[in-house]
Amino acid sequence: KAGVTQTPRYLIKTRGQQVTLSCSPISGHRSVSWYQQTPGQGLQFLFEYFSETQRNKGNFPGRFSGRQFSNSRSEMNVSTLELGDSALYLCASSAETSGRARDTQYFGPGTRLTVL
Amino acid sequence: AQKVTQAQTEISVVEKEDVTLDCVYETRDTTYYLFWYKQPPSGELVFLIRRNSFDEQNEISGRYSWNFQKSTSSFNFTITASQVVDSAVYFCALSRPANTGNQFYFGTGTSLTVIP
Repeated sequence: KAGVTQTPRYLIKTRGQQVTLSCSPISGHRSVSWYQQTPGQGLQFLFEYFSETQRNKGNFPGRFSGRQFSNSRSEMNVSTLELGDSALYLCASSAETSGRARDTQYFGPGTRLTVL
Repeated sequence: AQKVTQAQTEISVVEKEDVTLDCVYETRDTTYYLFWYKQPPSGELVFLIRRNSFDEQNEISGRYSWNFQKSTSSFNFTITASQVVDSAVYFCALSRPANTGNQFYFGTGTSLTVIP
């Protein structure tokens, strides 16, 4: 099975712009989670989507949003970029077949976003 | 509240030495899951192990072993006869059942450098 893929791998934007990142989960996985990783804050949970619905959300401002499509692919969008949004954005997918047990999350290679 | 603490920020060992990475967690849940991930310089988090709260058996996989002790809320990771390829950042994570809130909690990571 192919792993989690993320596009693009690298992105450079300027303050005030918006950006859309894409994530394709492992085939058959229904849950997609997004994380922001920075040297100062470590790995921080952004949100999780399951069956096209946002199931959980971390403590990030409304500028960060996401969605999931019927094929489980997910996008996250950051509007009005700030310098502090420079980070590695990681996507993870999990099967969530049982609905109760927390399945293992498998991560993609990440998108490195630089905001100038 | 859930929390994962990896007190060791950076560790350096000489090749072939054994090294233990510490992980201490906090949770009030009776059912939870513990994970270790490896993040090499390429950035992708690689899944190493998953353990549920009802299974305190230690596990060995090749040069890797894990010691789970509920009494001390610890889930430590030992690499035996370390190799240069083990150099990476290692994250311990705690997750809650899928029907609860924000589910994945990561420690701040331990950066391991294996010196040849």
